[in-house]
Amino acid sequence: EPEVTQTPSHQVTQMGQEVILRCVPISNHLYFYWYRQILGQKVEFLVSFYNNEISEKSEIFDDQFSVERPDGSNFTLKIRSTKLEDSAMYFCASVSGRGDYGYTFGSGTRLTVV
Amino acid sequence: RKEVEQDPGPFNVPEGATVAFNCTYSNSASQSFFWYRQDCRKEPKLLMSVYSSGNEDGRFTAQLNRASQYISLLIRDSKLSDSATYLCVVNEGNNAGNMLTFGGGTRLMVKP
Repeated sequence: EPEVTQTPSHQVTQMGQEVILRCVPISNHLYFYWYRQILGQKVEFLVSFYNNEISEKSEIFDDQFSVERPDGSNFTLKIRSTKLEDSAMYFCASVSGRGDYGYTFGSGTRLTVV
Repeated sequence: RKEVEQDPGPFNVPEGATVAFNCTYSNSASQSFFWYRQDCRKEPKLLMSVYSSGNEDGRFTAQLNRASQYISLLIRDSKLSDSATYLCVVNEGNNAGNMLTFGGGTRLMVKP
């Protein structure tokens, strides 16, 4: 079964540092997303990406965040100047967009900011 | 503000029991509805989509009431492996590119 792959599985970073979270969506999918889940809380939408541009973003996704699809397969989330409250599980997801709106999520990157 | 509300549980049931979860959503324009399952510290996995006419997949039955903005999930003949958190999820539009809004989840624990 096709998978969404995320690396690394766990990232520890110092406050103020930049991190890049990487995702390889399912190859024939058209829509890509980042979601996050702070421990014990709801899964929250960050951003959606289609046709090489952001299609929607939440109020969480401020100037500290950016996304990129640099080479047609990877989809990255960059967090600049990390804060303690950025500690969370970050999930990448993709969907084909062809009559199937069920998302496939990657296994996540656990980001710990210390 | 678009909200999806669920009873957090936990629901503690014996093997073989039937258990039902409910969910309400605030955005009347929502178009697509799903139940996801999330195991501890893992990613959400799609359990089933929810259709207006109701739908069944094995031991799982999902119902949608658009008038009441209410979604349900029924699990029959519970197995130990059904223990997980069940997430009610709403697509806020009718396009795959629209964001998903997640409920907080209902925790199910099936005991021997």
